[in-house]
Amino acid sequence: EIVLMQSPGTLSLSPGERATLSCRASQGVSTKYLVWYQQKPGQAPRLLIYGASSRATGIPDRFSGSGSGTDFTLTISRLEPEDCAVYYCQQYGSSPFTFGGGTKVEIK
Amino acid sequence: QVQLQQWGAGLLKPSETLSLTCAVKDWSFSGYYWTWIRQSPEKGLEWIGEINDSGTTTYNPSLKSRVTISVDTSKNQFSLRLRSVTAADTAVYYCARGRYGNDYYFDYWGQGTLVTVSS
Repeated sequence: EIVLMQSPGTLSLSPGERATLSCRASQGVSTKYLVWYQQKPGQAPRLLIYGASSRATGIPDRFSGSGSGTDFTLTISRLEPEDCAVYYCQQYGSSPFTFGGGTKVEIK
Repeated sequence: QVQLQQWGAGLLKPSETLSLTCAVKDWSFSGYYWTWIRQSPEKGLEWIGEINDSGTTTYNPSLKSRVTISVDTSKNQFSLRLRSVTAADTAVYYCARGRYGNDYYFDYWGQGTLVTVSS
């Protein structure tokens, strides 16, 4: 089973700042299979990024994904108040498909 | 716009069977893998398993001995059964649309069902 470790656990930043979220896999994951989701309280996760770097429909361009192999990054270039949420990475390349533990982004 | 609407019992006693159903509205069932995922504070997001319209299933090995996912293509529905539940199965359960061809992501999700296991 591929384990995904996300860091930091919590990120507290001001509006307009840049957020950098890390996802590290216990073994290599093809970029094709690396996905990012955003989850707000009481809601289901929302697809943000697929294929490590492709934005899903309707996702603002301040969200970007990068990385390869075992190290992946989600960047929010200029934080908006509505970006307050928990962000999860997920791998879809090897069953069982697994999720990271999440990074909580707080807006100061 | 795809809609996934799920339902099922929210309160179970230990050893009972969890049963949830998810209806897919306004989209073809064909070609996709339809998935169950659960979320708890202890384990986070956990993939339970998937099924396609042909009935081909894949399960998480950690749950495989207790899980059955089935499909009713005539109704555009798929279902989850989890036997012999314990308190550790307490979670919010989601249905989701999964992989399709070369697209690998969960893009549409049900509203979630909180299932509590308690005596």
